[in-house]
This record gives sequence, structure tokens and C-alpha cells, in this order.
Amino acid sequence: AQSVAQPEDQVNVAEGNPLTVKCTYSVSGNPYLFWYVQYPNRGLQFLLKYITGDNLVKGSYGFEAEFNKSQTSFHLKKPSALVSDSALYFCAVRDSRLPGTASKLTFGTGTRLQVTL
Amino acid sequence: EAGVAQSPRYKIIEKRQSVAFWCNPISGHATLYWYQQILGQGPKLLIQFQNNGVVDDSQLPKDRFSAERLKGVDSTLKIQPAKLEDSAVYLCASSFDRVHSYNSPLHFGNGTRLTVT
Repeated sequence: AQSVAQPEDQVNVAEGNPLTVKCTYSVSGNPYLFWYVQYPNRGLQFLLKYITGDNLVKGSYGFEAEFNKSQTSFHLKKPSALVSDSALYFCAVRDSRLPGTASKLTFGTGTRLQVTL
Repeated sequence: EAGVAQSPRYKIIEKRQSVAFWCNPISGHATLYWYQQILGQGPKLLIQFQNNGVVDDSQLPKDRFSAERLKGVDSTLKIQPAKLEDSAVYLCASSFDRVHSYNSPLHFGNGTRLTVT
């Protein structure tokens, strides 16, 4: 069964500093990987995805993520954090080996990012 | 483009009562999802539709939950009778995915926060 682990419940970082939100995954085949952000009382918003190709993926709001197949990781990064980045971040995975009808998107438990002045 | 619309935004009911949620996906999106998000957890897939057919309902508690997407556009999710543990945010999402290509991002509505007392 596929799974996603986000080992940190919360990440604290000062504004202007780089941030990293960690994600590791487990699938049988090759993964499709996604990051979503959730602001209070809102639905999830798509940030970026890895399907194939370049291991470094760039997304919305200056975020990027690096796919590492050997470590089965897909960590979210940003060079310079903003207070407005404070939100809940979810990593998600799909197994590309499964046919579309069997390919479920599995979410991690989320990491709360707190950026302070 | 208009986003995924959900209503109501909030609902408070007593246990054993029934409740229904409505979702209108983004125009042209073939795939529609209902997720349950319990506080402190990641979203859990309840049911996935491809047009008006059910693709995955393996995690839907079918003794009390039902969902339909009659014309392949909007959808309703119903709970009858509700239990205390059904208190959660119910998120609807849609995507452009077709049967053989499941790598499009999901677009989420703002959700319905259900409180069962």
C-alpha cells in the first residue's frame, strides 16, 4: 500500500531564512508527487508536482521541491520565507504504475509552517 | 476560471440526524472527489467519480454515507444517520484527469465544516 510521511508536525523559521518541509513516500511503482498548501478555513491549493524528468521542480509562490528517488523523498523548499507562507502543507503521492481507476491520491498528515518576523 | 463551489460552509447537527453537502466542480473537469479531513489529519478519500460513474468508494462508510453525481457535473454527499465521529471538514475537489492520465492537480473547494453534537 502506498503511504506518505511528513515527520514534522510543525516547522518554525524566521522571515528571510530558507525553509524546508520534509516528505518521504512509499509506492510500488514510480511516484507522482504533489505539494498542497492549506490556509485557515480554506481548501487545499496546489503548489507543485513531480511527474517525470528534472528532479528539481519549481512551483507557485517561489516554492520548489527536489525529488530524490534513492531516499524516496520529495522535500519542499523556499530560499527566503515570508510571514504570509505560514500555513499547513500537505505532501501527496500517486502510484503511476496503477491504472487510472486504481490510482488513489494519498495525503500525508500535514506540516504546519510558522514564519515569524 | 471559477473554482470548485461547495455549500453549505458550516453545518451543526445532532447525532442520528441526516445532512447533505453539495459540490459544483470546475467546468470541464471529468473527475470529482469527496474527501474527509478530520482535525489534525490529512484528507482521506471517500469517493471518486469519473463523469457520473464511481471509480473508487472503498473508504466510504456505505451504511451511512452516500454520494451521487447524476449528470456528471455537480454532486451531493449525504450522511444518514450522523455519528459524533463524522465531525470533520468535507472537501470536494475536481481535476481534468481522464482514465489513463492521473497526474493533473486537484482543485479543492473551501469545504463544509460539519459538527455533530
